[in-house]
Amino acid sequence: KAGVTQTPRYLIKTRGQQVTLSCSPISGHRSVSWYQQTPGQGLQFLFEYFSETQRNKGNFPGRFSGRQFSNSRSEMNVSTLELGDSALYLCASSLAPGQEPLLEQYFGPGTRLTVT
Amino acid sequence: AQRVTQPEKLLSVFKGAPVELKCNYSYSGSPELFWYVQYSRQRLQLLLRHISRESIKGFTADLNKGETSFHLKKPFAQEEDSAMYYCALRLQGGSEKLVFGKGTKLTVNP
Repeated sequence: KAGVTQTPRYLIKTRGQQVTLSCSPISGHRSVSWYQQTPGQGLQFLFEYFSETQRNKGNFPGRFSGRQFSNSRSEMNVSTLELGDSALYLCASSLAPGQEPLLEQYFGPGTRLTVT
Repeated sequence: AQRVTQPEKLLSVFKGAPVELKCNYSYSGSPELFWYVQYSRQRLQLLLRHISRESIKGFTADLNKGETSFHLKKPFAQEEDSAMYYCALRLQGGSEKLVFGKGTKLTVNP
């Protein structure tokens, strides 16, 4: 079974531009979460999606948005990029949310975004 | 606010020595705790979770609610254990959201 895939793997953008990152979950997984990883702040939760609905959002400005499609693939968008948005963006998928206990989340390799 | 603290950014031990990676959490509800590991050039992956109460690759972790800790232990470290280790907390309420600590880089020297 193929793992979580993220495209592109590397991206360089200029301040003020916008960017779209894509995540394809493991086949059959319907829940997708996004995290931002930086050296200073570590791993921080961005969003959680299930059935094309955002279930939870982290403490990030409105420039960060996302969506999920009917095939469970997800995209996140960052508008008006700032230097501080440079980070590794990780996507994780699981079968379904709201399970007690939490079903294992599988992480993708990440997209490395550099803002200059 | 919910918080996970891993006090050691770096930890270095010799092969065969015991290792303990510390994790403390701050959460008023009933926590669900995990250890994730990231080996060099690999993805972040689940190592173990407190509800499983199992040993994975020789590692164990016990949830101590009184001390709000979830330390990861292994009696005899191996060189292949060298990696970044992250402690994570899942909150009650059915969310997939994980609150991560900042990680500890473990190096096991030969």
